[in-house]
Amino acid sequence: EVQILETGGGLVKPGGSLRLSCATSGFNFNDYFMNWVRQAPGKGLEWVAQIRNKNYNYATYYAESLEGRVTISRDDSKSSVYLQVSSLRAEDTAIYYCTMNWEDWGQGVMVTVSS
Amino acid sequence: DVVLTQTPPTLLATIGQSVSISCRSSQSLLHSNGNTYLNWLLQRTGQSPQPLIYLVSKLESGVPNRFSGSGSGTDFTLKISGVEAEDLGVYYCMQFTHYPLTFGSGTKLEIK
Repeated sequence: EVQILETGGGLVKPGGSLRLSCATSGFNFNDYFMNWVRQAPGKGLEWVAQIRNKNYNYATYYAESLEGRVTISRDDSKSSVYLQVSSLRAEDTAIYYCTMNWEDWGQGVMVTVSS
Repeated sequence: DVVLTQTPPTLLATIGQSVSISCRSSQSLLHSNGNTYLNWLLQRTGQSPQPLIYLVSKLESGVPNRFSGSGSGTDFTLKISGVEAEDLGVYYCMQFTHYPLTFGSGTKLEIK
């Protein structure tokens, strides 16, 4: 059974940073691209970042709205993917989801940016 | 960026009714490798999105066959043949042919 668990969310002050983690199991992590998607309260889904697998040299892609403030990374030995977000703004307040190939999604982790 | 326009934004249906949701793309979603990376997702209230359809028309494992997807190029449709109560929620189309990856704005299905 595929399991995806995001952690690391919480309340952060504007200008702060945080690192989200996504631990996975139940599939061959090395084979898959991994994505982060976010959803602001009451809003739709917004793609944040993607990291490809080793076969694609771990290439990374980012949403333009976050580029320069976000870094996605992965640790294949831990079947985990990470999202580092800096210079946080109120509009970054959202549930952040980790997804494997759009087939399986975590429950999401809430990030609230507020003073 | 590729803009996905979903219509209608809200759909009110009775149990057993067949409904369709349209997803129109601002540019062709046909990839140079011949695949069209257009998926449909359902997000029930308070839950994570779940996959329904991938590559335009392929049904995800475990998804009832009352769901079907069709289309090509820039015009795509999700059809539910006989809505059931468990189908309520917000439906999203999404594309990953072009970066940045994008989602439609969603269609909320409500049951009368």
